[in-house]
Amino acid sequence: EAQVTQNPRYLITVTGKKLTVTCSQNMNHEYMSWYRQDPGLGLRQIYYSMNVEVTDKGDVPEGYKVSRKEKRNFPLILESPSPNQTSLYFCASGSNWDRDLRQGVYEQYFGPGTRLTVT
Amino acid sequence: RKEVEQDPGPFNVPEGATVAFNCTYSNSASQSFFWYRQDCRKEPKLLMSVYSSGNEDGRFTAQLNRASQYISLLIRDSKLSDSATYLCVVNGMRFGAGTRLTVKP
Repeated sequence: EAQVTQNPRYLITVTGKKLTVTCSQNMNHEYMSWYRQDPGLGLRQIYYSMNVEVTDKGDVPEGYKVSRKEKRNFPLILESPSPNQTSLYFCASGSNWDRDLRQGVYEQYFGPGTRLTVT
Repeated sequence: RKEVEQDPGPFNVPEGATVAFNCTYSNSASQSFFWYRQDCRKEPKLLMSVYSSGNEDGRFTAQLNRASQYISLLIRDSKLSDSATYLCVVNGMRFGAGTRLTVKP
């Protein structure tokens, strides 16, 4: 089954304790991304990766790190979590540019989300 | 001005109604457009792509107006199961904040 998996699904942690949220996709997508979603603010992009070993900052990268050493995995690292990073996090992967449609097409598939609480 | 803007709603409509949402975008060079659906606290899922010529899928119709820089989503004969938040996406990565729809019996 084609899917994006995230772990853990729920996490309660304390300020300053390093954590990693894993993300894995089995669709051979080149593009992967992390978002956070907060009430009233919608989905905001944290980091994205167009390919292995290529990562770029999104809109809200401060306090986060990522790596893309393999095509299928894109972990999100919080070196020193703070309460303002309490949020719902989504990982996504996407299909490549579809030349047949003559448009940049990045249809994204999302993981189930990770609800993080930092106290 | 935000890059992608949507009316947050909520839109409360009776079953069977027709409802339309608009989404404006600021980057005139934008190439790809999508509508996603998100149920409460769940992951967004692709509803439909928006092509220059428009796109229809059953009760759902999506349109693109490049001149005015907006995309639209029309839902006909609303069902209770259409209750969700609808997100527009520009260039694959730029999400609007979403429009919440509630369909009532």
